[in-house]
Amino acid sequence: NAGVTQTPKFRVLKTGQSMTLLCAQDMNHEYMYWYRQDPGMGLRLIHYSVGEGTTAKGEVPDGYNVSRLKKQNFLLGLESAAPSQTSVYFCASSYLQATAYGYTFGSGTRLTVV
Amino acid sequence: SQQGEEDPQALSIQEGENATMNCSYKTSINNLQWYRQNSGRGLVHLILIRSNEREKHSGRLRVTLDTSKKSSSLLITASRAADTASYFCATVSNFGNEKLTFGTGTRLTIIP
Repeated sequence: NAGVTQTPKFRVLKTGQSMTLLCAQDMNHEYMYWYRQDPGMGLRLIHYSVGEGTTAKGEVPDGYNVSRLKKQNFLLGLESAAPSQTSVYFCASSYLQATAYGYTFGSGTRLTVV
Repeated sequence: SQQGEEDPQALSIQEGENATMNCSYKTSINNLQWYRQNSGRGLVHLILIRSNEREKHSGRLRVTLDTSKKSSSLLITASRAADTASYFCATVSNFGNEKLTFGTGTRLTIIP
């Protein structure tokens, strides 16, 4: 099925460990985004990309890095995980900018940092 | 910071009744979008309304936008148990910002 696929779906990390979350879309979308969702706070934008090879900071970028080497993939990295990064992470993509189109979301990655 | 704030935070109604959720935002917008999130799942785009539109329909959904009051409402008519979900409004700013900013959501429960 066409859409946005996130891996892994669940992960438990120890403080200080690193990991990479993978987002893949097969819709030829230009724009890709990483959000985190915390209880009572809605979704907050971490980083985004407006095309292959580009990345930009969102609202809460500290502690995260991203890369978009291929148009269909957008990777989110945590270099040294902290308990404050316990959250549900969502990747999204859109064909063009959000002034014209809605986003397609993945099903999320639930990350716990202990 | 959150651009949109939904009201109420939680809503429970009987199946078959209409559900209304409201969203207020702070800055001038290009468009406003509504999304649904079922428990443990990603968000699903429902409808987009542009700043020059006042009302839009899609099936059982009706969205209104009042830019003078910086507010929007989502009406779900003839609710069904499957409508149980969280609903989020999201805005696209007019200030060269191509990203969506989400509100905190309304948790809707439909009682069979």
